[in-house]
Order: sequence, then C-alpha cells, then structure tokens
Amino acid sequence: DAGITQSPRHKVTETGTPVTLRCHQTENHRYMYWYRQDPGHGLRLIHYSYGVKDTDKGEVSDGYSVSRSKTEDFLLTLESATSSQTSVYFCAIRAGTGSYNEQFFGPGTRLTVL
Amino acid sequence: AQSVTQPDIHITVSEGASLELRCNYSYGATPYLFWYVQSPGQGLQLLLKYFSGDTLVQGIKGFEAEFKRSQSSFNLRKPSVHWSDAAEYFCAVGADNQGGKLIFGQGTELSVKP
Repeated sequence: DAGITQSPRHKVTETGTPVTLRCHQTENHRYMYWYRQDPGHGLRLIHYSYGVKDTDKGEVSDGYSVSRSKTEDFLLTLESATSSQTSVYFCAIRAGTGSYNEQFFGPGTRLTVL
Repeated sequence: AQSVTQPDIHITVSEGASLELRCNYSYGATPYLFWYVQSPGQGLQLLLKYFSGDTLVQGIKGFEAEFKRSQSSFNLRKPSVHWSDAAEYFCAVGADNQGGKLIFGQGTELSVKP
C-alpha cells in the first residue's frame, strides 16, 4: 500500500462543467501520474509531475490540465467536461526516480459526463 | 514507437489448469517490463517486474514471467490457477521518456471455470 487516495471515487457531471480530481499521497514520492482507463486501450498517460510545480503532458493531454502545489497532492482538472472524457481515472506514484521503478496506483475515480 | 500488445483479449481456463498470458513489446532500448493485475472495481496491483539480470522473474501469488529478448516477449505464467485469479491482467513497459511513464497493453481478461 503506497498511501494513495483519490477523491472523489465516483462523479457524475454534465457536459461543459469543470471537474477537478484529487490525488493524495502520504510518502513524499517525487513522481506522480494521471492515467485514464478505457476498454480496449489499457491505461494511457494524461499528465505527470516530477516535482512541485513541475508537470508535463502525456499522450492524451488535450482537454486536461494539472497542478501540483504540494508534494502530496496532484490535481487533474477537466476545464469543460465532454462525454469523451467519461472514463476511469487512476493516479499513480513511482517508487523511486528510475524508470525501472514500479508505479503504484490509487483506487481510481469513475467519472461519467452526461 | 513504443508499444505493448496483448494478443488475447479474453481467456478462460479451468481451476487447477496452467496459465500463460502473452505480452509482446516494441521498444528500442533495454525494456523495463511489468505485469499488473486488476480485480473488478479495483486499482492495479503489481505482480512482478523485470529490469535486468535473470530473465525468469518470480512474483506474488505464484506468478512468474520470462523475458525473451529475441522474441520481444514477456509472458506471464502460473502452474495452477485458482478461482481468485479471475481478473484483468496488464502488461506494461516503462519508458525512459515522458517521466518514465508506463505504456500499457490492452489487457487480458481471465475467467476461471470451476
């Protein structure tokens, strides 16, 4: 257990509304990630962070922004939610700074955009 | 481009039978390879990883995987499947770019017959 929590765990929202998902970790890991999971696609990286205020885009970043003002919190924001953003969102931390280090995942947030 | 392919979307095995889940990757450098398991409604749990050394790696829950560079494969095996192994299994390769993101396969859903 890497001490990762996500909130909310479930959310239903309407098209065009802003949505913020929160990832919180308790173990001071430097690297944090946001993935989305869709059937037939596995998990795909949205954004990642390599330190406070240091973030970068992943492969499916359009329509998403992130912020990291504290080591323990990594926020994912959908500025104006669309139905194509209905998905399950997972936060992860990397246990160490090398790419060979495994990632540990939070429990996920199921987001439905109507 | 880096990619991971899991050729089998769904596999059904009888309890007590052996299991092999296939994973093929495409990556230019030495790959860091991972297998994760996801039970319904849950996050992902690491089963095992390979990054160097012995090409046969042991993981949790009685799973093992063998890295074969010549075949670009990292197949997951278990000699005797238990009903509790029913879940979705993801193979992933760790990339050195994009903050060490994980590139996931599409997943293989395992069903276990009594």
